[in-house]
Amino acid sequence: NAGVTQTPKFRVLKTGQSMTLLCAQDMNHEYMYWYRQDPGMGLRLIHYSVGEGTTAKGEVPDGYNVSRLKKQNFLLGLESAAPSQTSVYFCASRGQGKETQYFGPGTRLLVL
Amino acid sequence: KNQVEQSPQSLIILEGKNCTLQCNYTVSPFSNLRWYKQDTGRGPVSLTIMTFSENTKSNGRYTATLDADTKQSSLHITASQLSDSASYICVVSGSSNTGKLIFGQGTTLQVKP
Repeated sequence: NAGVTQTPKFRVLKTGQSMTLLCAQDMNHEYMYWYRQDPGMGLRLIHYSVGEGTTAKGEVPDGYNVSRLKKQNFLLGLESAAPSQTSVYFCASRGQGKETQYFGPGTRLLVL
Repeated sequence: KNQVEQSPQSLIILEGKNCTLQCNYTVSPFSNLRWYKQDTGRGPVSLTIMTFSENTKSNGRYTATLDADTKQSSLHITASQLSDSASYICVVSGSSNTGKLIFGQGTTLQVKP
């Protein structure tokens, strides 16, 4: 099992550009999450999904959109990137009835 | 407001020494508390998870304690190794089917030879 994988590992964007971060898991997990991690702060939940075709807002959803068209994939989109979205983005997944979330390796995003 | 506070913010110890990291939380209702280890450039990895009724849980050289009355937890690392150098994150879950978590800011531990 590859577990949770994220693409790309690193990206530089200019303000106003758009991009999509891809998260994939091969553990047949129902729940998937997108977090951002900023220096001196705990991880903050952006959006999450409790199953294929469903998404919900987390703590800091503004400026992001998500889609879960397939159970194994959870996409995070930035329509118009801003410098405040410079961060490290982590995807996580969890199985139904399980407590542990498994995290991907992260995507480092720099918005200039 | 639901919060998780960790101390110290950073810590440097010599290889072979023990250390204890602290976590205070104000999350209510409370479901469980976990400790994650995050190596530099990697995603967090779960070390322990404790529910309301558990007051200690071990994973090798890592021992976590929980006092649900005072809403405090600690992570004790015994006989530290260089590979223990990482950020340790305390995470609290409220009672929710979505599994939403509240993360502390982490304690950065550096183990020196």
